[in-house]
Amino acid sequence: EDQVTQSPEALRLQEGESSSLNCSYTVSGLRGLFWYRQDPGKGPEFLFTLYSAGEEKEKERLKATLTKKESFLHITAPKPEDSATYLCAVQASGTYKYIFGTGTRLKVLA
Amino acid sequence: DADVTQTPRNRITKTGKRIMLECSQTKGHDRMYWYRQDPGLGLRLIYYSFDVKDINKGEISDGYSVSRQAQAKFSLSLESAIPNQTALYFCATSEGQGEKLFFGSGTQLSVL
Repeated sequence: EDQVTQSPEALRLQEGESSSLNCSYTVSGLRGLFWYRQDPGKGPEFLFTLYSAGEEKEKERLKATLTKKESFLHITAPKPEDSATYLCAVQASGTYKYIFGTGTRLKVLA
Repeated sequence: DADVTQTPRNRITKTGKRIMLECSQTKGHDRMYWYRQDPGLGLRLIYYSFDVKDINKGEISDGYSVSRQAQAKFSLSLESAIPNQTALYFCATSEGQGEKLFFGSGTQLSVL
């Protein structure tokens, strides 16, 4: 069964304290892996798409990487405004369906 | 203006009432989706539509129905609301397979 697991569920960091969020997935052929950011009371906002193992994408303090079993979202020198829930989703080849993880709630303290 | 607009933003209703949630988009995308989000369960697909004449059930469609009135409009109905349908509902669009989703701001629905 296709599945996405995110860890940790919650993470508290001091401003400037770098860390990584994990997204482990099991799918029968990966079409794409997606990272989203969700602020309270808002819809998820797209961050990155990764399509193949070894691919990396960067945006400001965020960098997403992909292997055949997992993806990491690295946050370098985070700021309080990076506080949000980060969602991972995968789409398997030959399907319409996006499978979402339950997210990591990130809190960055000033 | 938002690319994907959902109305209402919040709704409180009573058990047994019929309710409609509306979604409109200016992205020009053919693919539209309805998801619900519950704490600890992540986003789950209710219905999806790949064009006006193509509507399909998702993983949790029981108790829900949809209507695709136009390429830009996709509404979700709860025929007879029940308390376990209390959740945050999102409409989303995508350009094609393997493409990112664009989400609306959500409708927080409470069924008493």
